[in-house]
Amino acid sequence: DAGVIQSPRHEVTEMGQEVTLRCKPISGHNSLFWYRQTMMRGLELLIYFNNNVPIDDSGMPEDRFSAKMPNASFSTLKIQPSEPRDSAVYFCASSSQGMVSDTQYFGPGTRLTVL
Amino acid sequence: DAKTTQPPSMDCAEGRAANLPCNHSTISGNEYVYWYRQIHSQGPQYIIHGLKNNETNEMASLIITEDRKSSTLILPHATLRDTAVYYCIVSDQGGKLIFGQGTELSVKP
Repeated sequence: DAGVIQSPRHEVTEMGQEVTLRCKPISGHNSLFWYRQTMMRGLELLIYFNNNVPIDDSGMPEDRFSAKMPNASFSTLKIQPSEPRDSAVYFCASSSQGMVSDTQYFGPGTRLTVL
Repeated sequence: DAKTTQPPSMDCAEGRAANLPCNHSTISGNEYVYWYRQIHSQGPQYIIHGLKNNETNEMASLIITEDRKSSTLILPHATLRDTAVYYCIVSDQGGKLIFGQGTELSVKP
């Protein structure tokens, strides 16, 4: 199994530009999570989906952030417009049943730098 | 906010057992204790979880006190590759994983 796949692994962009991060969960998993990690705030849950439906987006910092899951094998996290304070490592994770007690498998992350 | 308290850092000699403590005095009856770790520049990795009984798997053992207010993660024979930040998390089955600052474990030769 390839595990959770994220792309790109690194992204450098300028303030004001649109950024799209992509995630392919493990095949057969029906829950998907987006996290953000910074030195100041640690690892934060932004949003999670169960069966492609957003369940909790209370962690999304503001309207500039949006996430979609059009099918079971693909999700995007979009930032428009991006700001320097969005610089962070963004992780995607998936699990098999949507229960927290199920193991979450994390991808390698996307390191975003907004200049 | 995270419901757990962990020491910020610990050292362990290679080959010895690493015992990582976690306090969760406000844990409720339906909440599990989870441990994840994050090796530098990688995504977090699940280690183990438990409700009230002690648990063991190929990676580690989890000891939960009878009152469930604290727990200890045990890596029986630490290696250099176990150097990582270890997160203790308390959550119920329908809840979210809220990561605190964790314990930075350094395994030294």
